[in-house]
Amino acid sequence: DAGITQSPRHKVTETGTPVTLRCHQTENHRYMYWYRQDPGHGLRLIHYSYGVKDTDKGEVSDGYSVSRSKTEDFLLTLESATSSQTSVYFCAISESAIGAFFGQGTRLTVV
Amino acid sequence: QKEVEQDPGPLSVPEGAIVSLNCTYSNSAFQYFMWYRQYSRKGPELLMYTYSSGNKEDGRFTAQVDKSSKYISLFIRDSQPSDSATYLCAMSARVNNNDMRFGAGTRLTVKP
Repeated sequence: DAGITQSPRHKVTETGTPVTLRCHQTENHRYMYWYRQDPGHGLRLIHYSYGVKDTDKGEVSDGYSVSRSKTEDFLLTLESATSSQTSVYFCAISESAIGAFFGQGTRLTVV
Repeated sequence: QKEVEQDPGPLSVPEGAIVSLNCTYSNSAFQYFMWYRQYSRKGPELLMYTYSSGNKEDGRFTAQVDKSSKYISLFIRDSQPSDSATYLCAMSARVNNNDMRFGAGTRLTVKP
């Protein structure tokens, strides 16, 4: 999986609680991305980063924030989890190339 | 209307069959076209990509892009049970992927 580790792999949380998902890479790639995957919608970009402390919004960024303090780590935070954020979250990396390498995913359930 | 449309299937074929997977899109700015394969409970992996129109072949896989029709295809020859997976098309206008749009995926089963 191109040196990408997502943690945790599974999480169940309650509505209204904050949640942080972590993506760690060992490839030293410049770009990192967070996607969510839902049935019928495919993968949708939440946020991405093009360098340390440089981040930007994707197409479904409401309710999410990100931080990248080191090249290898990209954190996704749900400030106050809602049931609509139940999904599978994927981290991806790339280095100015076409396409991206994806992690194994984190299954998040908000109850 | 979604920017990228992909028939979700499911598609079931016998081993050895030729498989055709397709996507249509609406954004004429797309110029990078990708196919990902995703096994159950795994992350997507990049299979092939093409730039602009034309064909690209890699072993049993052939990717075709017709920009005039806004239509892309992936052909799998001599399909194997190990090809059973969900296939996602993706496309972008920029090489840094921050505008990459995915189809919903087609689930393929190849029966022995």
